[in-house]
Amino acid sequence: EVQLVQSGAEVKKPGESLRISCKGSGYSFTSYWINWVRQMPGKGLEWMGRIDPSDSYTNYSPSFQGHVTISADKSITTAYLRWSSLKASDTAMYYCARRGPDTGDAFHIWGQGTMVTVSS
Amino acid sequence: SYELTQPPSVSVSPGQTARITCSGDALPKQYAYWYHQKPGQAPVLVIYKDTERPSGIPERFSGSSSGTTVTLTISGVQAEDEADYYCQSADSSGTYWVFGGGTKLTVL
Repeated sequence: EVQLVQSGAEVKKPGESLRISCKGSGYSFTSYWINWVRQMPGKGLEWMGRIDPSDSYTNYSPSFQGHVTISADKSITTAYLRWSSLKASDTAMYYCARRGPDTGDAFHIWGQGTMVTVSS
Repeated sequence: SYELTQPPSVSVSPGQTARITCSGDALPKQYAYWYHQKPGQAPVLVIYKDTERPSGIPERFSGSSSGTTVTLTISGVQAEDEADYYCQSADSSGTYWVFGGGTKLTVL
C-alpha cells in the first residue's frame, strides 16, 4: 500500500527549532516529488513548497521561501520540513502530499498531517 | 502573487445540484484540481485535470472549465458531501502551486 506517514504532533516554544518528517512507503520514493501544505487553524490550504527526492531539488512558494527548509533523505525514504526559529504564527497542521500514478499532478496521496503548536 | 478565487460558502438542499466556482487568470492554460476536506481529516482528491474523476469518487462529482473559471458540480447532493472544497492549480509558468481560499458546502 502506498502511504505517506508523518511524524507526531509537536508543542514548541517561540524561537525553538523543529523538524517534522514524512515517510513514504509502498512505492519508488525517488519517482515522486513530495509537497508540503500548511493549514492554519480554521483556515484554508497553502502550498509551501516541494522537493524532488531523486536529487533534492526544491522550489518554494514565495510566501514561505526563507522561512522553512525542505529536505529529503532517499536512503530512508523520508522528507522533512524544518524551521530554525519558530513563531507563534507557525501554529498549524502540516501535510505532505504527492501525486498519484495516474491522476496527473494532483495531490492524490496525503499524509495524515502533523499538528505543530508554538506557544510560550 | 497568483490567486484562485472561490466563493466562501454554498448551501443546497439534499438532492439538489451544488456548483462551486474557482477563478484564476492562468486557468485557461493550467489544469485545475478539486479536493474536499472534512473536519479533522486530510484533503481528498475529487477531480483532476479539470474534468477527470479518480477511481472511488462517486459519479455525482464532475468538473468543467470555461475560460478563466472552473466549476465543480455535485449532482444530487447528499448529506455526506458537506465539507470544505478547495480548487488547486499552478501559476502561468507552472512553477508554483496555488490553492483557492476554499468553499464551505452546507447541506441544508
